[in-house]
Amino acid sequence: DSGVTQTPKHLITATGQRVTLRCSPRSGDLSVYWYQQSLDQGLQFLIQYYNGEERAKGNILERFSAQQFPDLHSELNLSSLELGDSALYFCASSVSVNYGYTFGSGTRLTVV
Amino acid sequence: QKEVEQDPGPLSVPEGAIVSLNCTYSNSAFQYFMWYRQYSRKGPELLMYTYSSGNKEDGRFTAQVDKSSKYISLFIRDSQPSDSATYLCALLRGDSGGGADGLTFGKGTHLIIQP
Repeated sequence: DSGVTQTPKHLITATGQRVTLRCSPRSGDLSVYWYQQSLDQGLQFLIQYYNGEERAKGNILERFSAQQFPDLHSELNLSSLELGDSALYFCASSVSVNYGYTFGSGTRLTVV
Repeated sequence: QKEVEQDPGPLSVPEGAIVSLNCTYSNSAFQYFMWYRQYSRKGPELLMYTYSSGNKEDGRFTAQVDKSSKYISLFIRDSQPSDSATYLCALLRGDSGGGADGLTFGKGTHLIIQP
């Protein structure tokens, strides 16, 4: 157990729907990162939050959004889902931006 | 040219062999270098972290960074079947307040250690 908890582990939904992925960072970590992993693109950085504030954005689509709550857990919202959004979504946390990240076990999203 | 290049493999070697995994990068803004191991359907696990040119050793693993050549390597000595996994290099920029763009990953090398 890495200390980073992601729920749900698996999610199957239809095109056009909206889902929410949840992440609890490792105790003491203030930074949360979201990554998407697909076979052809590898691990792609989506967005980072630090202590409740958005810190950096990567290749995140406008249909996707995220937030970090006062208790530091984070949610990634994916809307108007398309088949191409099927992927593994990882959350990671770190104590500081210059440190290595600890990853959760991911949420496997399948859009049908 | 991609920011980080990594041979996807698969790389198959016999048990006990020394494994060499490599990445090249193009942006000199990268100042922090990591190697992650990912087993199938699991999250990446941090193996090595370094921020300077040279070698860093941890058990059977050695990370090597050559900033002048923009080349990083991971060596695995006495490889074991349990080392079979995908190995990803990950780089972090040193500008923009430190890592503000998130880690940039290579696509990973699939390593197979044959018993």
